[in-house]
Amino acid sequence: EDQVTQSPEALRLQEGESSSLNCSYTVSGLRGLFWYRQDPGKGPEFLFTLYSAGEEKEKERLKATLTKKESFLHITAPKPEDSATYLCAVQGDYKLSFGAGTTVTVRA
Amino acid sequence: ETGVTQTPRHLVMGMTNKKSLKCEQHLGHNAMYWYKQSAKKPLELMFVYNFKEQTENNSVPSRFSPECPNSSHLFLHLHTLQPEDSALYLCASSQDDPMFSGRAGIFGPGTRLTVL
Repeated sequence: EDQVTQSPEALRLQEGESSSLNCSYTVSGLRGLFWYRQDPGKGPEFLFTLYSAGEEKEKERLKATLTKKESFLHITAPKPEDSATYLCAVQGDYKLSFGAGTTVTVRA
Repeated sequence: ETGVTQTPRHLVMGMTNKKSLKCEQHLGHNAMYWYKQSAKKPLELMFVYNFKEQTENNSVPSRFSPECPNSSHLFLHLHTLQPEDSALYLCASSQDDPMFSGRAGIFGPGTRLTVL
């Protein structure tokens, strides 16, 4: 059965303190791994798609990487506006599965 | 207007009411989705429409009834809901079904539903 697990559940960072979020997955046939950012009371905002192991994508202070078992979202020198819940989703051969998310709080 | 829009943004209803949620996408996409998001839980995919045809129904209770009159509009009709149905209901669209394309969906802002 396809499964997506995100860790940690919550992450509190000081402004400028870099860190990484983890998305571990088991899937039958990876067709794409997606990262989203979600602010409270809003819909998820698309960040990245990764298709194969070794692939990396960057956007401002965010960098996503992918291996055959997991993906990392690295936040470099975060700012308070990076506070949000980050969701990971995996499209397999049969279904799209989401993780429960990591809520990141960045303090000034 | 661009992107994916949803109305209403907030809805409070009693268990005997009938209401509808509306979703509209202005992206020229062919696939549209309804998701349920409850606190601390992963998003739950409810329905998938591809080229106006329902291609997925993930064991959703019959008190939720989707309708897709064209590839730009999606409705979720609600009747005799339960308090546990209170959640954020999200609509999304994508160029085509991610199962075939591996392309991510674009989400709307959601409707916050409270069932009393």
